[in-house]
Amino acid sequence: GAVVSQHPSRVICKSGTSVKIECRSLDFQATTMFWYRQFPKQSLMLMATSNEGSKATYEQGVEKDKFLINHASLTLSTLTVTSAHPEDSSFYICSAQARGGAIDTQYFGPGTRLTVL
Amino acid sequence: AQKVTQAQTEISVVEKEDVTLDCVYETRDTTYYLFWYKQPPSGELVFLIRRNSFDEQNEISGRYSWNFQKSTSSFNFTITASQVVDSAVYFCALSGTNAGKSTFGDGTTLTVKP
Repeated sequence: GAVVSQHPSRVICKSGTSVKIECRSLDFQATTMFWYRQFPKQSLMLMATSNEGSKATYEQGVEKDKFLINHASLTLSTLTVTSAHPEDSSFYICSAQARGGAIDTQYFGPGTRLTVL
Repeated sequence: AQKVTQAQTEISVVEKEDVTLDCVYETRDTTYYLFWYKQPPSGELVFLIRRNSFDEQNEISGRYSWNFQKSTSSFNFTITASQVVDSAVYFCALSGTNAGKSTFGDGTTLTVKP
């Protein structure tokens, strides 16, 4: 089946620093990738939709200047948490839709656990 | 707006018991998709099933079965003869024509005790 990877799997950083999380589709091209955030013991919340070669579309309430998304190629999307603060500590999960694939199918990455001290 | 309600926050059963996880959804779309995912302690989401709004046929996959009823806007998930390895958080999700923009329920934490 389709594989999506995320790097790093875990990251601990100091408050005020920026952290970049990569989401890669390993065996397919993904025109669209999605970024979700999951706080402990809570549900997944969609943050933004990332389209290859264009600006990301952010969900209401998500600060686009804080969560920078770049989808530079058909296999890579990055999420940069800028000037991270402890309240940004969360589990970040990406998903990808295959190019030309069914729009009712998405493949999830394993997630990145961010801890901001 | 779409909404998914998983009323059961936590369920605890003893191994070999059957257990049903409830999911009720709200949407104005005529075409939509419903999903169930399993999230073990590792955090990685495991896809279990996808159903479109035009297919109300129930499905069985091994010990898992799903009951989709449009009349009650429900998509319930039953695990038969539960096992300890079934312990996880289970999420029901709903999307319109784009699965990536899914709305997730709050999840049900299932604990299966030996």
